[in-house]
Amino acid sequence: DARVTQTPRDKVTEMGQEVTMRCQPILGHNTVFWYRQTMKQGLELLAYFRNRAPLDDSGMPKDRFSAEMPDATLATLKIQPSEPRDSAVYFCASGSGSNTGELFFGEGSRLTVL
Amino acid sequence: AQSVSQHNHHVILSEAASLELGCNYSYGGTVNLFWYVQYPGQHLQLLLKYFSGDPLVKGIKGFEAEFIKSKFSFNLRKPSVQWSDTAEYFCAVNEGSGTYKYIFGTGTRLKVLA
Repeated sequence: DARVTQTPRDKVTEMGQEVTMRCQPILGHNTVFWYRQTMKQGLELLAYFRNRAPLDDSGMPKDRFSAEMPDATLATLKIQPSEPRDSAVYFCASGSGSNTGELFFGEGSRLTVL
Repeated sequence: AQSVSQHNHHVILSEAASLELGCNYSYGGTVNLFWYVQYPGQHLQLLLKYFSGDPLVKGIKGFEAEFIKSKFSFNLRKPSVQWSDTAEYFCAVNEGSGTYKYIFGTGTRLKVLA
């Protein structure tokens, strides 16, 4: 049963610390997305990749967030330094590269910054 | 820029009541439209999608949605809800031109009372 895998599932950290979230997309999928879910904003698109190349990261605060795909099986989202307002659930999703296709979501990483 | 509006943030219904959740998008070109559902504690899953053809689309679990181009709308409906439909529902859109950018609405939390 192919699925998107995210780690960690839960992370509690203190303000100022670096946080790295990881995502393993479904094998063969060539588009990867990072979303942030908050009660106020819903699902915000932070960044997305196609064939490992970043297509759009305009949704990310550039000064503290960075997203990369070191290889086709790993996407990372890093926050440095973290702030309390970054507390949210971060979802990774992958797709087959067709824009009529379904996105498959991971279970999410719940981040709490104290 | 594209945006997606979901008018109802919280909806409470009794079992067997009919459901309609509103979704409007702001993009004048060809679009692909989606509804996703997030059950409590789970990841997002696709309910249904529209990209061409019959504007009335049927999805899983008895849900359907109608694309009305003149109104830029893609409302979700179900004739008779069940307690198990309690979840958060997200409308999403991407441009039909192949940008692969999926924009989600803020979500509607549905609670069905047994």
